[in-house]
Amino acid sequence: EPEVTQTPSHQVTQMGQEVILRCVPISNHLYFYWYRQILGQKVEFLVSFYNNEISEKSEIFDDQFSVERPDGSNFTLKIRSTKLEDSAMYFCASRMTGGNQPQHFGDGTRLSIL
Amino acid sequence: GNSVTQMEGPVTLSEEAFLTINCTYTATGYPSLFWYVQYPGEGLQLLLKATKADDKGSNKGFEATYRKETTSFHLEKGSVQVSDSAVYFCALNAGNNRKLIWGLGTSLAVNP
Repeated sequence: EPEVTQTPSHQVTQMGQEVILRCVPISNHLYFYWYRQILGQKVEFLVSFYNNEISEKSEIFDDQFSVERPDGSNFTLKIRSTKLEDSAMYFCASRMTGGNQPQHFGDGTRLSIL
Repeated sequence: GNSVTQMEGPVTLSEEAFLTINCTYTATGYPSLFWYVQYPGEGLQLLLKATKADDKGSNKGFEATYRKETTSFHLEKGSVQVSDSAVYFCALNAGNNRKLIWGLGTSLAVNP
């Protein structure tokens, strides 16, 4: 069964550095998402992406965040100048067309900011 | 607004016990409802879903019914196994882009 893949599984970065989290969504999916989960808290929506542009973003998704689909397969989340509070598990998801289609998730990237 | 409330864990059961994890929601519009499961060291996997009122989602012996009158989507399983030990998340999709709104997650430990 096709799956969403995320790399790396764990990223350790110094505060203030830029980090890029990578995702390969399922190939025939058209809607892409990033979520994060800070330890002990709820999974939170960050951004959705469709037709090569951001379709919705949350209050968390400020100017330090950006997303890109640089080619036909990858979907990346960039954090420009990381802060301690960016430490979290980041999940990528994708789904097919159709509002009731479920989102399929990768295994996540654990981001640790030192 | 949209929100999901789950019963707090951890829940500890013996093998073959009956499981209920409560989930209630508030939503505008007509969301679909989902249960996702996260096994230790793994990502979020769809367990089951229901797209409209009175639908019942089921998978791997788990069931949940979309109850609009009580705004609930409780997860049940008649006989749990040790392999069901995981964290269970209730979620709904909201808005034009169908982003997921999540509950806090309920940790389940099943002892032999």
